[in-house]
Amino acid sequence: SYVLSQPPSVSVAPGKTARISCGANNIGNKSVHWCQQKPGQAPMVVIYYDSDRPSGIPERFSGSNSGNTATLTISRVEAGDEADYYCQVWDSSSDHVVFGGGTKLTVL
Amino acid sequence: QLVESGGGLVKPGGSLRLSCAASGFTFSSYSMNWVRQSPGKGLEWVSSISSNGDSIYYADSVRGPFTISRDNAKNSLYLQMNSLRAEDTAVYYCARQVGTIRSDAFDIWGQGTMVTVSS
Repeated sequence: SYVLSQPPSVSVAPGKTARISCGANNIGNKSVHWCQQKPGQAPMVVIYYDSDRPSGIPERFSGSNSGNTATLTISRVEAGDEADYYCQVWDSSSDHVVFGGGTKLTVL
Repeated sequence: QLVESGGGLVKPGGSLRLSCAASGFTFSSYSMNWVRQSPGKGLEWVSSISSNGDSIYYADSVRGPFTISRDNAKNSLYLQMNSLRAEDTAVYYCARQVGTIRSDAFDIWGQGTMVTVSS
């Protein structure tokens, strides 16, 4: 099965840049989506198709995907960005949707 | 908007049927999904169904006991869960897929319904 590896946690000071990685074999050949989940809330997509931002998502959120790593970058981090972040792909070999284990972003 | 219902407490081996009511968009044009989240854990995809219901997919962990279905006339998505086990305890979310291809993102999520399997 296709496994997406994310760091369990990332910490960043307000105003700095947070980078959350999602690693897997040849993930650069797949479309990667990122969702944000705040405590007690449903997930919400913040980046889809590697680097596209849905309407209403701040420009501070960006994404990239190449080789074996996809990255979600949050610039000028704010306290309100504190949440769990999950990467998501579709694995064609199994025809399954796969989520990464999630990364807890802490704003110091 | 997506609103789930039907969760609750059920004994091991029991059954439950979840529903997801859709509004504000043309339900019949979109593939739909169920995703679950066990307490304190990450997201786990459960099942997908195409816009017309012809194509259905399941995670290995639920194939057999769980059945996804939809009624486009009622703008509703369902998940029939049989032979429930403690490991099925989770918040169950329904989620709309942006388009109709398997790699599309989930752009709208419901608030979830809690399923607890315990004796």
